[in-house]
Amino acid sequence: DQQVKQNSPSLSVQEGRISILNCDYTNSMFDYFLWYKKYPAEGPTFLISISSIKDKNEDGRFTVFLNKSAKHLSLHIVPSQPGDSAVYFCAASVGAGSYQLTFGKGTKLSVIP
Amino acid sequence: GAGVSQSPRYKVAKRGQDVALRCDPISGHVSLFWYQQALGQGPEFLTYFQNEAQLDKSGLPSDRFFAERPEGSVSTLKIQRTQQEDSAVYLCASSPSGGGTNEKLFFGSGTQLSVL
Repeated sequence: DQQVKQNSPSLSVQEGRISILNCDYTNSMFDYFLWYKKYPAEGPTFLISISSIKDKNEDGRFTVFLNKSAKHLSLHIVPSQPGDSAVYFCAASVGAGSYQLTFGKGTKLSVIP
Repeated sequence: GAGVSQSPRYKVAKRGQDVALRCDPISGHVSLFWYQQALGQGPEFLTYFQNEAQLDKSGLPSDRFFAERPEGSVSTLKIQRTQQEDSAVYLCASSPSGGGTNEKLFFGSGTQLSVL
């Protein structure tokens, strides 16, 4: 049973527009959420995180929104750039200091110039 | 080194063969993790070390999987009698802190294991 779900395997967006990547979770114990970005032939790299005490966290062009009641989070990228083309993984943990991450299957974002 | 280094980059094994995958974490990093990523899936936790101590091995799929980090730096993931379902990318990650602190995980590029 998947505890972290990314239901869109892929997404195509025009350069300069907004990219919205979605993630749902089922485990109500999760209270810390992260997004990782992965280029081909490289390991995932940390992008942005959010604690369940917040509903929004922003870092430059990247914003993560958390809706605890819906068990849903989303990553917004504005404006999208061709270099953002990658696979984005949503991950969750019980506690910010937890070492065990549960990942979704990922969404492949293609930003078209 | 500059980042987490894993070797080999690719490994092809015949079913039943033993394999050993190596991870060189970032120098000085206390925590080391192994994750398994099957095709089309997200990474799945295998095991966690804090220095040389293996604090959690709950994600190892079977007793054919064994990991060690004897001197608290380099780690080896060993898979005995490989099966086709072991085919995956094995990711190693390290962290400077001992308490997890997930966002400070630095991943290597992985070892892609193919079992024929």
